Order: sequence, then structure tokens, then C-alpha cells
Amino acid sequence: NAGVMQNPRHLVRRRGQEARLRCSPMKGHSHVYWYRQLPEEGLKFMVYLQKENIIDESGMPKERFSAEFPKEGPSILRIQQVVRGDSAAYFCASSPPETGIFVAEAFFGQGTRLTVV
Amino acid sequence: ILNVEQSPQSLHVQEGDSTNFTCSFPSSNFYALHWYRWETAKSPEALFVMTLNGDEKKKGRISATLNTKEGYSYLYIKGSQPEDSATYLCALYNNNDMRFGAGTRLTVKP
Repeated sequence: NAGVMQNPRHLVRRRGQEARLRCSPMKGHSHVYWYRQLPEEGLKFMVYLQKENIIDESGMPKERFSAEFPKEGPSILRIQQVVRGDSAAYFCASSPPETGIFVAEAFFGQGTRLTVV
Repeated sequence: ILNVEQSPQSLHVQEGDSTNFTCSFPSSNFYALHWYRWETAKSPEALFVMTLNGDEKKKGRISATLNTKEGYSYLYIKGSQPEDSATYLCALYNNNDMRFGAGTRLTVKP
């Protein structure tokens, strides 16, 4: 059972370009969380998704950032018109459904390191 | 808004020392608290899942306690080793939401 897969591991974008970060949760997991780690900081919550639904996006900037978790395929975090301040490591975590997310472990991907030049 | 606080922010200890750090959280509507260990260049790995007031969990030299009434959890490391150097994160689960503290960065010097 493969773990949480994030790709790419490293992504370089020029200012103004779009960045697409992908997260494939563990098999059978339907809850996905995205976190951002800025340099020298801890993990900051961005968005919580279940299949085809955004449950909580209170941590996501209102402009340029969007996330989806379609019925089929990975979850996508999309950043439009990237700026230097978007440079960070972006982690996703997944956990299983129905068992009560509050007692299940979350499993993290290796992260995508976005560099905006 | 869930506010999870961890202290200290960073900690330097000598090999063999025992150490502990704190995770504080709102005590209302508590569901569960997780501790994660996060080594540089790797993804966070779960250490403990704690749900009941008074819970104590142990894994090797690492243990954790939970007080949901006053809203804190302690993580203890006995006889620290250089390989314990990592960032230790706690995460609060509350009403289908998971929020992390900023972490305690532990450095164990040989």
C-alpha cells in the first residue's frame, strides 16, 4: 500500500506562472488536508477536502489559490500568478473515512517544494 | 478557530538528558490530540493518538500525557539521543478539523 504521494517533489516557477501541486492519498482515504510550511515556520493549515467537497478552506488565501479533490484522481492545489512569497513546502495529508477522523492517524506525503524565481 | 500552541519553540539538550515539551489547546469540544515527529527532509510521522483525559502513551523512550480539562499535553523523551533530533508537532482534531501547532524543534548534541 503506497503512502501518500505528492508530485512533483520540487517545482520551480517564474513569477506570474501557475503552479499545480498533486496529492494522491493513501488507498481508501477520502480526507485530504493541505498544509504550507514557510521557511523557518511550522505547518500552517490551508484547506481540508473530502471527495468532491471543500470542507474547510479557512486557511487558504482568498485570491490565486484553489484546491480540488475530484471523484477520480488526485487532489490538486493550484496557485495562479505565483509570487515570490508563495515559495514554500506544501504538504498534504490523508486519513481514512468513516472510522472517525479524530482517532485515525493522518499520513503525510513528502511535500512539494515550490520555488518562485 | 482552533489555536494550538507549542512550547518551547526550540530546545537544545545533551545526549542522555531527559526532556519534555508542551502542547496547549482549547479544552472545549475536544476529540483527539496527535503527536507527530518530523525529521528534516522527511514527512511527519505519527507518534501517538490520544483521546481520553488522563491518557498516557509510550513508545520506547518517548511518552505523552493528556489533560483535556485544562487543555494540554506533554511529550517526554527519556535519555535523549542524537537521532531524536527532529521537530515534534502536535495536532488537535476537533469537529472534523485538524490543526497543527508550530512545533518544538529538538536538537540533541552528542
